[in-house]
Amino acid sequence: QVQLVQSGAEVKKPGASVKVSCKASGHILTGYYVHWVRQAPGQGLEWMGRINPNSGGTISEQKFQGRVTMTRDTSISTAYMELSRLRSDDTAVYYCARGSYSSGCDYWGQGTLVTVSS
Amino acid sequence: QSVLTQPPSVSGAPGQRVTISCTGSSSNIGAGYDVHWYQQLPGTAPKLLIYGINNRPSGVPDRFSGSKSGTSASLAITGLQADDEADYYCQSYDSSLSPVVFGGGTKLTVL
Repeated sequence: QVQLVQSGAEVKKPGASVKVSCKASGHILTGYYVHWVRQAPGQGLEWMGRINPNSGGTISEQKFQGRVTMTRDTSISTAYMELSRLRSDDTAVYYCARGSYSSGCDYWGQGTLVTVSS
Repeated sequence: QSVLTQPPSVSGAPGQRVTISCTGSSSNIGAGYDVHWYQQLPGTAPKLLIYGINNRPSGVPDRFSGSKSGTSASLAITGLQADDEADYYCQSYDSSLSPVVFGGGTKLTVL
């Protein structure tokens, strides 16, 4: 069955970078967009951006532009999201999700907790 | 401040019907973009509940339904059950802001 498995929890210092991976199984990575969504403690869902695994093309939310890099390695069905210049308010659970315009985000990773603390 | 506005909380007794609204604007829901709904149980990843305004993925009971009118969408839950207690989020697309927009989420409490 379709699964998205994310990398494990990370603890980073302010100013550092974090790279989260999202490995797809049970489906072809290139068939759908991969979205990245984060959720700060006690807060709602915040869309960060998405990558088209076919072309590698990306679109990101304006507030993350310049700090977020989304890539993919189709040979191992894995997408990556790297966030740089981390701040304490980047502490959140980061999710990857498979999505299309018509069907929404139908499969989600389990989430990766990123804690930013000095 | 979310682009799509949802009530912070709703509640209902077991067996009752509740609705959750999602209000947007002419650049998102009103522009004809699809609306999707997600259910998030405590400590878990969101789960797709309704896609394309009123379509249910396999396994989602028909107690859940969606609708859309103008610049707003709604999620209705009938025959409320204790395990429906969760956070619910609407999601759509926007032509002028972020391409993908979420509502702020609504906490459903089953009394």
